[in-house]
Amino acid sequence: SQTIHQWPATLVQPVGSPLSLECTVEGTSNPNLYWYRQAAGRGLQLLFYSVGIGQISSEVPQNLSASRPQDRQFILSSKKLLLSDSGFYLCAWGLNTEAFFGQGTRLTVV
Amino acid sequence: LAKTTQPISMDSYEGQEVNITCSHNNIATNDYITWYQQFPSQGPRFIIQGYKTKVTNEVASLFIPADRKSSTLSLPRVSLSDTAVYYCLVGEKGGATNKLIFGTGTLLAVQP
Repeated sequence: SQTIHQWPATLVQPVGSPLSLECTVEGTSNPNLYWYRQAAGRGLQLLFYSVGIGQISSEVPQNLSASRPQDRQFILSSKKLLLSDSGFYLCAWGLNTEAFFGQGTRLTVV
Repeated sequence: LAKTTQPISMDSYEGQEVNITCSHNNIATNDYITWYQQFPSQGPRFIIQGYKTKVTNEVASLFIPADRKSSTLSLPRVSLSDTAVYYCLVGEKGGATNKLIFGTGTLLAVQP
């Protein structure tokens, strides 16, 4: 069966520090991969999605970037975090129109 | 991608049937309708998916009228644990990108 791993679960980072969140998927090949962000009490905002290795589409101009160095690995990064980058970050993999989510990372930028 | 519109929130009591409607006026011929449930601090979870008429599973029913410009998620006899945000998505099954854009969702609050 397919599983998705996302870590860490919580993270507190100072303003201006770098960020690296990693997500890996098991049990499937060439999945569509997604990064979402959810601010407190708000809906899910699609940040990036990828249909294959090295193929990244950005949905919203921002302080973040994504990379897919391997088929089942998706990384969300930032060189310098802003206070506004705080939120709940979710990685997902997709099959047709069904998405399967990781447990999420609660990022607090202080 | 078809845009979806849902009520921001709904209130209900335990044991009642709850119907959440989603509007998707620009739905395309190849689009499917998918509903998700999200609890606080968790990722959304797939509930049900359909193309037309009615689909039922162990959790919910999905009603889609002939013009497919809306859909209704029906939750029978809700309990307190059904308090969550419910999202409706519209997208092409098997499409090349499947961007999976979530709207703001409907916050369902079930009270005793």
